[in-house]
Amino acid sequence: EAEVAQSPRYKITEKSQAVAFWCDPISGHATLYWYRQILGQGPELLVQFQDESVVDDSQLPKDRFSAERLKGVDSTLKIQPAELGDSAMYLCASSLRMNTEAFFGQGTRLTVV
Amino acid sequence: KQEVTQIPAALSVPEGENLVLNCSFTDSAIYNLQWFRQDPGKGLTSLLLIQSSQREQTSGRLNASLDKSSGRSTLYIAASQPGDSATYLCAVDGNNRLAFGKGNQVVVIP
Repeated sequence: EAEVAQSPRYKITEKSQAVAFWCDPISGHATLYWYRQILGQGPELLVQFQDESVVDDSQLPKDRFSAERLKGVDSTLKIQPAELGDSAMYLCASSLRMNTEAFFGQGTRLTVV
Repeated sequence: KQEVTQIPAALSVPEGENLVLNCSFTDSAIYNLQWFRQDPGKGLTSLLLIQSSQREQTSGRLNASLDKSSGRSTLYIAASQPGDSATYLCAVDGNNRLAFGKGNQVVVIP
């Protein structure tokens, strides 16, 4: 069964360091999402891609976060520099196109110390 | 901005009882509504998707209803089992983004 792949599963980093997460969506899915989930809360959208184009990054803290999907397939989310408040689960999801069923990966648990 | 609320935040039920989880949303202009399950420390597993034109959707012991005009959806889980213990998240797709509630944390007691 096709899955959204994310790596790493866990990441511990010191504050002010750079960190990067990788996501490989389900093959053929044009829409890719990055969400952040703080413990006990629902996921919140950071950035949404349609193919290689960003369609929504209004909630992305652009002073320290960046995201790319250069060839419209896999994607990387980067944080530089990391802050203590960035500790959270980072979830990637994909869907065939916008407004269709979304499938999530297992997430990356980030701890900033 | 779409606001999604899930009630109750947490509940415990004895095994065999039916579960009723509620989700409400403020903007009825939606494309679809999706229910997810999340186990501790894991990602989200899609359970059911209801299109805005549908009233309900069923999968096995799960049934989800949608009343778009009143901004409500209900997830029913029949004959609950300990393996149903998890957090259930409701997500509303409108304005080209998924807006999530905080979830219903469910514990099924053997």
